[in-house]
Amino acid sequence: GAVVSQHPSRVICKSGTSVKIECRSLDFQATTMFWYRQFPKQSLMLMATSNEGSKATYEQGVEKDKFLINHASLTLSTLTVTSAHPEDSSFYICSARTGSYNEQFFGPGTRLTVL
Amino acid sequence: QKEVEQDPGPLSVPEGAIVSLNCTYSNSAFQYFMWYRQYSRKGPELLMYTYSSGNKEDGRFTAQVDKSSKYISLFIRDSQPSDSATYLCAMFGGNEKLTFGTGTRLTIIP
Repeated sequence: GAVVSQHPSRVICKSGTSVKIECRSLDFQATTMFWYRQFPKQSLMLMATSNEGSKATYEQGVEKDKFLINHASLTLSTLTVTSAHPEDSSFYICSARTGSYNEQFFGPGTRLTVL
Repeated sequence: QKEVEQDPGPLSVPEGAIVSLNCTYSNSAFQYFMWYRQYSRKGPELLMYTYSSGNKEDGRFTAQVDKSSKYISLFIRDSQPSDSATYLCAMFGGNEKLTFGTGTRLTIIP
């Protein structure tokens, strides 16, 4: 149980385009989902917290207009990187938390490369 | 000073050895403590989850939390090459945000 999937696993795009990453909780309902980014050999940096049906809460320094988050259902959250630039290239990981427990279960990550 | 300190390693040990991984933290509000294992280019996988001080054992893994010292540990017994990964400690308190350590890269040498 507690499986979280992400799609796509890898994406390469041109500078200026937008990329959407999906995060799904497969066997549980996620009241809260989190989006992280991870640079090589570094730890996870929280970007934003999203609760189903409400606006995401962004961490300091994360541009909400650039990283659009939608949490339309209890099993799906999406992160859209708008007008992507090479410096947005990173490993993006989502996690999901149930209402009953405090553990966060992570997706397999999406590697974004912006040319 | 970072809220959570973790030695990044790398740490290399021979197969079968006992591995000790540690984190220290400064925020006394942290009450939930986790260890994640992350293989290269994969998402973190939850290994152990403990609440407050004490020990928790699961197979070859033992997690210890000492809140008085603000110190947590993960022990791996009978280490295997498949245990080679980056191990991340994580914790949180009143809010729901996880604070991660930097991760320790572990290599088990056959």
